[in-house]
Amino acid sequence: NAGVTQTPKFQVLKTGQSMTLQCAQDMNHNSMYWYRQDPGMGLRLIYYSASEGTTDKGEVPNGYNVSRLNKREFSLRLESAAPSQTSVYFCASSGLQGSHEQYFGPGTRLTVT
Amino acid sequence: AQSVTQLGSHVSVSEGALVLLRCNYSSSVPPYLFWYVQYPNQGLQLLLKYTTGATLVKGINGFEAEFKKSETSFHLTKPSAHMSDAAEYFCAVSDSGGYQKVTFGTGTKLQVIP
Repeated sequence: NAGVTQTPKFQVLKTGQSMTLQCAQDMNHNSMYWYRQDPGMGLRLIYYSASEGTTDKGEVPNGYNVSRLNKREFSLRLESAAPSQTSVYFCASSGLQGSHEQYFGPGTRLTVT
Repeated sequence: AQSVTQLGSHVSVSEGALVLLRCNYSSSVPPYLFWYVQYPNQGLQLLLKYTTGATLVKGINGFEAEFKKSETSFHLTKPSAHMSDAAEYFCAVSDSGGYQKVTFGTGTKLQVIP
């Protein structure tokens, strides 16, 4: 099992460009999440999907959109990148009944110039 | 609403010394509590978790944590630090309700001095 995979690993964008971060999990989990990690701020939830077909805003959703394509895949889109979106982005999934344990991907390091 | 406070963004210990990373939480319902570890340029991985039952929880790599309801704490300890323990550690809380939303602390970077 690959667990949670993310592509790309690194990306540099210019202000105003768009891109989509891809995430897939092979653990048959129901819930998936997108976080951003910034120094001194821990992980902040951008969007989550409690189950296939549903998505909801997290703590910092402005400037992002998501798509839960199917049970395996959850993508994050930046429509018009801004320097404030320079960060490391992590996808996670969970689904073991009553566990609440999340499994993380390796991250995407995004720089917006 | 749930929240997590980690005391100390950076902690340094000598190799072989006790590791103590502090975490306090707030939650309006019985919490699930977690410690995650992040090695450089990697994602987070679960170190240990408390859901119900025994309040002293043992995790991987010799770490353990004790849930103290009266103190709303879940501090992480390891009797003897190893160089490979150098990493960033995150405490997290989730309420025991239906939806699996987890709130993370801001992290503590552990430095191990040889």
